[in-house]
Amino acid sequence: QQQVKQSPQSLIVQKGGISIINCAYENTAFDYFPWYQQFPGKGPALLIAIRPDVSEKKEGRFTISFNKSAKQFSLHIMDSQPGDSATYFCAARNGGSQGNLIFGKGTKLSVKP
Amino acid sequence: DAGVIQSPRHEVTEMGQEVTLRCKPISGHDYLFWYRQTMMRGLELLIYFNNNVPIDDSGMPEDRFSAKMPNASFSTLKIQPSEPRDSAVYFCASSLAASTEAFFGQGTRLTVV
Repeated sequence: QQQVKQSPQSLIVQKGGISIINCAYENTAFDYFPWYQQFPGKGPALLIAIRPDVSEKKEGRFTISFNKSAKQFSLHIMDSQPGDSATYFCAARNGGSQGNLIFGKGTKLSVKP
Repeated sequence: DAGVIQSPRHEVTEMGQEVTLRCKPISGHDYLFWYRQTMMRGLELLIYFNNNVPIDDSGMPEDRFSAKMPNASFSTLKIQPSEPRDSAVYFCASSLAASTEAFFGQGTRLTVV
């Protein structure tokens, strides 16, 4: 119940295309769903996050779509650029007073020029 | 603020030796997390602290692992004795509160030979 399942494991997209990464969870107590971006040799950095009271959040070329009933959420990267090539992690946090994030296993995105 | 600072960046040690990883969280952050990242298992939460008190250490793999946070500005993760399977990148992260963004350090790449 504590898992967050992420797919695909790797993704290759042409420049200008749309990258889509999906995540699913079981624990309905999760109340915060961030996406992190990690470049080689660096720590993960927050990209965008959503709470379950909204179905979509957009920041520039990055959009999270959230389906509470299906317990799924996804990251869409519009007009993908080579600079977006990185590993992306979805995550979920336990509600209440707990603060720990549960991460998906990551998706390695390569955007070809 | 310089962000979360981890040291060393790289550590190579022989099996059986003691290894100590260090972390300085962002000033004012109440939560500190230790994660381990491997290709096989992704990002795993090892332990986290709130106001210097360990809250959940269920992710610590074995008694060989221990973590301390003697004050708000310093934490250590110790492995004694180290084994080759401990080879991974270890990340420290901190956040202001349970419901806010977690900031990651650059990680310590540990290699046990």
